[in-house]
Order: sequence, then C-alpha cells, then structure tokens
Amino acid sequence: RKEVEQDPGPFNVPEGATVAFNCTYSNSASQSFFWYRQDCRKEPKLLMSVYSSGNEDGRFTAQLNRASQYISLLIRDSKLSDSATYLCVVNEDSGGSNYKLTFGKGTLLTVNP
Amino acid sequence: DTGVSQNPRHKITKRGQNVTFRCDPISEHNRLYWYRQTLGQGPEFLTYFQNEAQLEKSRLLSDRFSAERPKGSFSTLEIQRTEQGDSAMYLCASSLGSWNTEAFFGQGTRLTVV
Repeated sequence: RKEVEQDPGPFNVPEGATVAFNCTYSNSASQSFFWYRQDCRKEPKLLMSVYSSGNEDGRFTAQLNRASQYISLLIRDSKLSDSATYLCVVNEDSGGSNYKLTFGKGTLLTVNP
Repeated sequence: DTGVSQNPRHKITKRGQNVTFRCDPISEHNRLYWYRQTLGQGPEFLTYFQNEAQLEKSRLLSDRFSAERPKGSFSTLEIQRTEQGDSAMYLCASSLGSWNTEAFFGQGTRLTVV
C-alpha cells in the first residue's frame, strides 16, 4: 500500500462548481498534513495546513479524520484560476522523532468557463 | 530574494556524464529535502538533512546518487553516470524541521539526459 494515496483524477468542472479531493495515508504516526498546489511546470506551494480536525480559508476547506487516516480538500465556487494539481502531503514520523514530508501523486483540476 | 534557490535551472547532459545540482535553503531552516518529479507524478522523496546530518535516503535511490550538506547550509546533489531515466525535475525544499511546519520549495532543476 502506498504511503499517501489521492484520487487519481483528472477533475474537469465548470466555474462555480464545488469539488472535493480525497487522500488517505498509511502511517498512523503521522502528525501533520498539508495541501499543496502546483501549477504546470512550477514548484509546489503551500495551500493549507491541517493540524487538528480541519480548517477553512475562504472557499477552501480541509478536513482530517485520524481514525480513518483520511484527509479531504473542498473547493467551493471554483474559479478558472483554481486549475492546478493539488498535492496531499503528510508529515510522517520516520523514527526517532524525525519527520519527513511524503507527497501523494497529485490530482489535476481543470476549471472550465 | 530570501526563498529557496536552486542552480542550475536547466541542465542538458549526455548519457554517462556526471552532473551536480546546488540548493540554497532559506537561511534559518535546518531541514533540507531533495525530491524528484516526473510528468504526471507527485514529488518522489530522495533524501533529507537535519543540519549537516543526512537522516534518510530513499531505497529507490541508486548508488549513482549522492547528496551532501557539508556545513548545514547549502546542499549538493550529484548524479554519476547519468542515464536517460534520470531525466526529471529535481526539487529542493527547506523547513524549520519540527513536526508542524511546512516546506518551501525552490524552482527546481530540470535535467534532460540525451
């Protein structure tokens, strides 16, 4: 089983739609979770951090379910500028309190006019 | 610019040659990561450092790959005897290293092996 698994996508949605991405992780010792956004041929950039049960930032809501080892990202009222690849990232304990960031494969979102 | 800096941005090399990439992290960051990314895939972990100590190296990384961070500041990633399968984007990231801090990425070095 892969350490971090995401919806394979791609997602094609019209402007204004609500879209949700799912992510599961295998290491129960994982402590913190992030969603990164990556535009084509650019580096990943932090979108949101998810530390407890979840958090909200404008149109974006991230949720965490530790019991099910599941993270989600919800985008409401999607904009053309939301088109990008969304990466689920888990900060997992690799032993001795050494934490490393492990990425999912990413989910490509295209928002259409 | 106080972000993560990577050099060169692009590298084209012939198969069998050695290449070296450099990463300068954000100055106060003690954790430094190297990732490799190919088209349509997420970043794949290669190795990471806490200050000058290399904490983990991916078992996917062959002996042709080596990384150093001699003074706990900048890092280099060397690939010896390059193969066409090494063609990818090599990304460096740095963070403060605690469990709840995010990593910041450089713009990457795109390697093409011909």
